[in-house]
Amino acid sequence: AQKITQTQPGMFVQEKEAVTLDCTYDTSDPSYGLFWYKQPSSGEMIFLIYQGSYDQQNATEGRYSLNFQKARKSANLVISASQLGDSAMYFCAMREALNTGNQFYFGTGTSLTVIP
Amino acid sequence: DTAVSQTPKYLVTQMGNDKSIKCEQNLGHDTMYWYKQDSKKFLKIMFSYNNKELIINETVPNRFSPKSPDKAHLNLHINSLELGDSAVYFCASRISLGASEYNEQFFGPGTRLTVL
Repeated sequence: AQKITQTQPGMFVQEKEAVTLDCTYDTSDPSYGLFWYKQPSSGEMIFLIYQGSYDQQNATEGRYSLNFQKARKSANLVISASQLGDSAMYFCAMREALNTGNQFYFGTGTSLTVIP
Repeated sequence: DTAVSQTPKYLVTQMGNDKSIKCEQNLGHDTMYWYKQDSKKFLKIMFSYNNKELIINETVPNRFSPKSPDKAHLNLHINSLELGDSAVYFCASRISLGASEYNEQFFGPGTRLTVL
């Protein structure tokens, strides 16, 4: 089974609107971390936000928030007040605490386009 | 003050050649990674080095060999390049000590390899 699943290959959002990018994960490890990265057309990978499996509250970083639903094993990224500069690929990733290989599992990404 | 740097940024070469990509991090991290991102933007982990020991070697051809002269460097050497090796290669690093699932990866800018 896929460790990280992103079911939306492409998304469109109107400027200034909010958008949710979906991410579901699969793990039997009780301790894990979930990460979102942004990859603009320039190619670099930019860390956005982190959610720990034991965190009681949803993570927030500026306009980014993470809708963490542990029972559903989902960690959706919410971008509020979209800006043109938000157009990029977005990757969800997971790291399991018991993974001695230090491995991160990445999803296939969602391409977000912000429409003026 | 680049945290994770890679050289070269672009590499164009002929099939059959041998090439190397260098990666350096100045963050004091103890774990470094190499990823391959194909034309569909899928990120595939290739190697992980922790304290100069190889931890992961996903089903990567043995034409690819990571070399870590010290904790701050993880170079990627590729022998007998093939057309299918064309991709963007990312180096990344993180600190794995302590609550290791909480520490994000920092990515280099990527190296775009084109094999002709």
